[in-house]
Amino acid sequence: DTAVSQTPKYLVTQMGNDKSIKCEQNLGHDTMYWYKQDSKKFLKIMFSYNNKELIINETVPNRFSPKSPDKAHLNLHINSLELGDSAVYFCASSQGRGYTFGSGTRLTVV
Amino acid sequence: GENVEQHPSTLSVQEGDSAVIKCTYSDSASNYFPWYKQELGKGPQLIIDIRSNVGEKKDQRIAVTLNKTAKHFSLHITETQPEDSAVYFCAATKKTSYDKVIFGPGTSLSVIP
Repeated sequence: DTAVSQTPKYLVTQMGNDKSIKCEQNLGHDTMYWYKQDSKKFLKIMFSYNNKELIINETVPNRFSPKSPDKAHLNLHINSLELGDSAVYFCASSQGRGYTFGSGTRLTVV
Repeated sequence: GENVEQHPSTLSVQEGDSAVIKCTYSDSASNYFPWYKQELGKGPQLIIDIRSNVGEKKDQRIAVTLNKTAKHFSLHITETQPEDSAVYFCAATKKTSYDKVIFGPGTSLSVIP
């Protein structure tokens, strides 16, 4: 009964392709996030949605587009993938306290 | 914006010893400081948090301290066990409705049996 689930867990793709990562939470939280973790383990926020509304949009290339069809889902679509996009992407949700993270999606661009 | 520094970046301790990780933050308006533990292949997990109106908080073998004046906060793990081996992240945020949590760079803790 996973609280925050992401799919896929692993994603290997070629440069220039378009890919999506899906996230769902069953905690009833209002706020969801996408974080990027680079090879040095540094966690950097990308986007945040509150009740389907975009509230945080960090300096992320336009190739990254989040979509929240409802407050339990936050998907991330990436166009024209580049080598530098290789990282682990974490979805998280929160409701007034700390985050609950998903288990991550390891994206490798070759 | 907020900036969080964390030291040390790596830490090795013998099983049973204590481990201390220290963080500093830059934004004096930050008022909520969570700590996360990330095991290999998993997402970060909240292990303890502290709000700015409290100086210390304990939960079994882990404790956090906060010095708002100096903008320092620390994680203390006593009687370390091999399963404590993980990457630990401190974080800081202004706890509003739309909080943006800023993470420190992480500390890789190894507990040697």
